[in-house]
Amino acid sequence: GDSVTQMEGPVTLSEEAFLTINCTYTATGYPSLFWYVQYPGEGLQLLLKATKADDKGSNKGFEATYRKETTSFHLEKGSVQVSDSAVYFCALTPNTGGFKTIFGAGTRLFVKA
Amino acid sequence: GAVVSQHPSRVICKSGTSVKIECRSLDFQATTMFWYRQFPKQSLMLMATSNEGSKATYEQGVEKDKFLINHASLTLSTLTVTSAHPEDSSFYICSLAGGGGTDTQYFGPGTRLTVL
Repeated sequence: GDSVTQMEGPVTLSEEAFLTINCTYTATGYPSLFWYVQYPGEGLQLLLKATKADDKGSNKGFEATYRKETTSFHLEKGSVQVSDSAVYFCALTPNTGGFKTIFGAGTRLFVKA
Repeated sequence: GAVVSQHPSRVICKSGTSVKIECRSLDFQATTMFWYRQFPKQSLMLMATSNEGSKATYEQGVEKDKFLINHASLTLSTLTVTSAHPEDSSFYICSLAGGGGTDTQYFGPGTRLTVL
């Protein structure tokens, strides 16, 4: 079945460091891919998305490119801030109709000042 | 994007009681809402899909008689945890599917349930 695998955390970085959180997926066809962010004590917020191969989603300095050949959707940011500390979830929605979303396990990011 | 609220944000109850959690779409008519459960430091587990005006579709392993879902209108879905026990303590999150046929989900802020 469809699944999402992302790197285990926690990831601890210093402020202004480069961030990469790896995400790979298994799905038939061309699913839509998402990154959601969850700040402490809150629900999830959509960070960015991509709906077809080679699309790049971007928001708030974060980027991820839909790579069909490697079935990946890695999240990157060139310079993290303390306020980026949160849990990041990679997710996919199969291209089979409906809106059911499959989430990865989440990666916790700590950014130190 | 759509604005989703949940009420209450936190609830503490005694074992054996029932708790109702409301999920409201404030600016969007949602025919489909989802209920998730999140254990500490874990991912979201889909519990059920709530369709307006019809019975909810539960995921395998989720007891429909324990987790009652009512999607009575396009802006309100409720989850009732019946006869709650300490193992039901968790973070419950609702979401609704984006409008215009998009597959983005918009999440509520979550409800933390603690059963003593």
